[in-house]
Amino acid sequence: GAVVSQHPSRVICKSGTSVKIECRSLDFQATTMFWYRQFPKQSLMLMATSNEGSKATYEQGVEKDKFLINHASLTLSTLTVTSAHPEDSSFYICSAFGQGAGEEKLFFGSGTQLSVL
Amino acid sequence: TQLLEQSPQFLSIQEGENLTVYCNSSSVFSSLQWYRQEPGEGPVLLVTVVTGGEVKKLKRLTFQFGDARKDSSLHITAAQPGDTGLYLCAGVLTGGGNKLTFGTGTQLKVEL
Repeated sequence: GAVVSQHPSRVICKSGTSVKIECRSLDFQATTMFWYRQFPKQSLMLMATSNEGSKATYEQGVEKDKFLINHASLTLSTLTVTSAHPEDSSFYICSAFGQGAGEEKLFFGSGTQLSVL
Repeated sequence: TQLLEQSPQFLSIQEGENLTVYCNSSSVFSSLQWYRQEPGEGPVLLVTVVTGGEVKKLKRLTFQFGDARKDSSLHITAAQPGDTGLYLCAGVLTGGGNKLTFGTGTQLKVEL
């Protein structure tokens, strides 16, 4: 089945720095990818829909200048947390639609745990 | 207000017990999925239901989609410690393209 690779799996940074998270579709092309944020023991909250070759669509309440999304190719989307602060510490997960067991379904990356000191 | 409300939020049971997790909404979904997630990992798809009234079985797990396609349930028979995890329902709203909306989540712990 399809595989979505997310990197890094864990990152610790100082307050005020920017952090880039990559999401790759390894064996399929993904024109659309999704970025989620998850706090401990809570559900996934959709942040934005990343569209290849065009601007991302952000959910209400998500600052587009804070969370920069770039989807420059059919296999790569990046999320950059700019000027990170402790409140940005969270688990970030990406997903993309791909073929699995004969049907199209959503595949998830393994997530990135961001800790801002 | 969350579009998909799950209940219970937390559940701690003994091995061998049965349990049911509910996923409710006032909106209609074209399809609904159930995922299981372990700490530090992405969610893993368990099942997709698309037809109102549909029932799917996956070994000890039984999934049901409501007739009106607004709610769903997950029933686990004879729970095992390996079933421990965060269970998430997620749905695609009718006319919502392929955007997935997640439920509030149910944290299950199965003890020996």
